[in-house]
Amino acid sequence: DTAVSQTPKYLVTQMGNDKSIKCEQNLGHDTMYWYKQDSKKFLKIMFSYNNKELIINETVPNRFSPKSPDKAHLNLHINSLELGDSAVYFCASSPKSFGYNEQFFGPGTRLTVL
Amino acid sequence: AQTVTQSQPEMSVQEAETVTLSCTYDTSESDYYLFWYKQPPSRQMILVIRQEAYKQQNATENRFSVNFQKAAKSFSLKISDSQLGDAAMYFCAYSGIQGAQKLVFGQGTRLTINP
Repeated sequence: DTAVSQTPKYLVTQMGNDKSIKCEQNLGHDTMYWYKQDSKKFLKIMFSYNNKELIINETVPNRFSPKSPDKAHLNLHINSLELGDSAVYFCASSPKSFGYNEQFFGPGTRLTVL
Repeated sequence: AQTVTQSQPEMSVQEAETVTLSCTYDTSESDYYLFWYKQPPSRQMILVIRQEAYKQQNATENRFSVNFQKAAKSFSLKISDSQLGDAAMYFCAYSGIQGAQKLVFGQGTRLTINP
């Protein structure tokens, strides 16, 4: 059974389009995250949700809008895609939002904007 | 803000030998957690080892061990008896305990294992 899953795994689209990436975790965790890994492999947090509530928003452009319909799902919608949005996007989850909790990562979604 | 620095973009080692990957970090917090993650070509992020800052004893997990020097803010990873399957990107990461948890990553070190 996949613990943290993301769809799609690959996404190729044109500049200016709007796209969504979905994430689901079946671990019963309260907290979910989105990280972005750029072309130089640098990983940086974008958002974190705890029980459907936004708790971290790391100066991400407004074109990125996360949505958490329930605590098992955290989707990422991107409007007006730009070339610089090309990256691998990782979803992760952890039992709680504070203290030590191991974060479990999804397989990543490679987004290519042409 | 916390920062994590990995000064070795690439490292290579002969199979069965030992290699050490370096990591330094900067923080004003007194308690925190440090991690090493492995990212093989499959792209999956895999937790290799973690260290709680309040513990003086260095963490070990089978062939993986760390050298945690709190005063120097240094956290290196030693891989003993290197195997071909250890080839991957390795990321050092920091997580504070104040406020909402997030991982702050270093730039990564690409490790190559020579047969």
